Amino acid sequence: GNSVTQMEGPVTLSEEAFLTINCTYTATGYPSLFWYVQYPGEGLQLLLKATKADDKGSNKGFEATYRKETTSFHLEKGSVQVSDSAVYFCALDSNTGGFKTIFGAGTRLFVKA
Amino acid sequence: DVKVTQSSRYLVKRTGEKVFLECVQDMDHENMFWYRQDPGLGLRLIYFSYDVKMKEKGDIPEGYSVSREKKERFSLILESASTNQTSMYLCASSLPDSYEQYFGPGTRLTVT
Repeated sequence: GNSVTQMEGPVTLSEEAFLTINCTYTATGYPSLFWYVQYPGEGLQLLLKATKADDKGSNKGFEATYRKETTSFHLEKGSVQVSDSAVYFCALDSNTGGFKTIFGAGTRLFVKA
Repeated sequence: DVKVTQSSRYLVKRTGEKVFLECVQDMDHENMFWYRQDPGLGLRLIYFSYDVKMKEKGDIPEGYSVSREKKERFSLILESASTNQTSMYLCASSLPDSYEQYFGPGTRLTVT
């Protein structure tokens, strides 16, 4: 079945630094890809998504491009803020039906002022 | 905005107790999901439901059951709580033809 692997954390950056969180996937067909974010004490919320190859999802200054040739969907932001401190989950749709989603293990980001 | 609420943010239960976790969504979503979240393991699907009275096992259903008597409400039941069920439990919902899920704030359950 489909699976997703993302870089282990935690990732610690200074404010205004460039962020990359790596995510690679294994899938049959053409899955939709997602990044979810979980702020402290909250549930997950969708950050961005891409539904086909070469699509770029973007939101709140974050971007990720669906790269079929490298089976990757890396999350990037040019200048992080303290408020970006959270856990980020890469995800893709399951190919086993039922509109289920498969989540990566999560990467915790700490941004220092 | 979609709102998914969970009955408790924190719960402490004793081993062997029957535990009910409630989830309610207000956007008429057909699909509802229960996950547990553990450090280093991400989210693991326990059960999901496509419609009222329908349920499907996820990846780790052992020790859990669910109930969906109304469309907006999806309950997770721990028949006899054990210490290895100490975890964060997240509920989510989605439209019938969508992979985009909306999550509740989570319930942190401690079983002692």
